[in-house]
Amino acid sequence: GQNIDQPTEMTATEGAIVQINCTYQTSGFNGLFWYQQHAGEAPTFLSYNVLDGLEEKGRFSSFLSRSKGYSYLLLKELQMKDSASYLCAVRDYGGATNKLIFGTGTLLAVQP
Amino acid sequence: EADIYQTPRYLVIGTGKKITLECSQTMGHDKMYWYQQDPGMELHLIHYSYGVNSTEKGDLSSESTVSRIRTEHFPLTLESARPSHTSQYLCASSGSYVGGRSPLHFGNGTRLTVT
Repeated sequence: GQNIDQPTEMTATEGAIVQINCTYQTSGFNGLFWYQQHAGEAPTFLSYNVLDGLEEKGRFSSFLSRSKGYSYLLLKELQMKDSASYLCAVRDYGGATNKLIFGTGTLLAVQP
Repeated sequence: EADIYQTPRYLVIGTGKKITLECSQTMGHDKMYWYQQDPGMELHLIHYSYGVNSTEKGDLSSESTVSRIRTEHFPLTLESARPSHTSQYLCASSGSYVGGRSPLHFGNGTRLTVT
């Protein structure tokens, strides 16, 4: 079946680094996305990985290991505004469908 | 930056009423989607469309229906609302599949409460 696992909640301190893990089991794999969702708002796109390795984008980095079915999102120099839910999503079909399977999200609380 | 709009933002309605949730995007995206999200739960795909006159049911069974008569417009309709339909409905769109990236761009959602 299709399954994406993330920790439910995490707490970190302003200025610190936090790593949010995601493991997945899907019938196929054609890319993994990370989204940020503030309470009551729409998810916004953060990063995309399709090959193994690290993708860096400012304070945010995302890592993928396809053989392990594993990804993480790394947030550096945490700010209060980073308090949000972080969603891991896998696209398990290629071609035109572009349908994503989402995890339940990790609610990150950044404390002063 | 994608522009995708959903109305209404919030809706409280009685059981048995017919409702239509509106979704429009101005980016010319060919693919559009409806996701349902309950508090603290994952997003579930309920409908998607590859283009005009193309609609498919998603992975989560839904009593709602959709139509795609124009590229920019993808409304969702519930013929007879029930309390079990209370949820947040998120509309999304994506462009051409270039290099695989093609992220979804989401609207702000409609929070529906059926009493």
